[in-house]
Amino acid sequence: SQKIEQNSEALNIQEGKTATLTCNYTNYSPAYLQWYRQDPGRGPVFLLLIRENEKEKRKERLKVTFDTTLKQSLFHITASQPADSATYLCALGDDKIIFGKGTRLHILP
Amino acid sequence: GAVVSQHPSWVICKSGTSVKIECRSLDFQATTMFWYRQFPKQSLMLMATSNEGSKATYEQGVEKDKFLINHASLTLSTLTVTSAHPEDSSFYICSARQKGYTFGSGTRLTVV
Repeated sequence: SQKIEQNSEALNIQEGKTATLTCNYTNYSPAYLQWYRQDPGRGPVFLLLIRENEKEKRKERLKVTFDTTLKQSLFHITASQPADSATYLCALGDDKIIFGKGTRLHILP
Repeated sequence: GAVVSQHPSWVICKSGTSVKIECRSLDFQATTMFWYRQFPKQSLMLMATSNEGSKATYEQGVEKDKFLINHASLTLSTLTVTSAHPEDSSFYICSARQKGYTFGSGTRLTVV
């Protein structure tokens, strides 16, 4: 069955450093992959979508890579700030999307 | 941008009663909406796909008679948790697709 793994349940990063989150998937060949941010008690908020024919995508301080051979996506936040502290979810799917468990990111001041 | 409004944001109900949660697309029409459930420190689990004017499609293991979904218009889908029990306590989130996926702010259901 299709499986999405976000390797780190939680990650602590010093403010100003780059945070890197990992998403691996199996038994799936997605046309695209998405990353969302979720704050406690709130619904997910869309951040970035990367297609299978794109190696990298950037949006302000965010960067996503997509390696369909490794079946892996990396999500980077550069110059991290305490306000970036949240849970980040990787999601796959076309007609309906499924989510990884998420990584709780803590940016330490 | 696309906005999805979900109400109520939280609800407490007695065991055995039913609770209705509404999901509205405010500035676009959504022929398809999705309902998710999220337990603490767990991922969002897709419960069902709500299709305007037709029956919802439920994921394996989700009881369609317990979680009634109605998508009577292009901007409104409702999820009714019938005969709620404490184990139904969870965070319910809807989403709609218009170019990308937009999520509601969620409903915290507590069954006592």
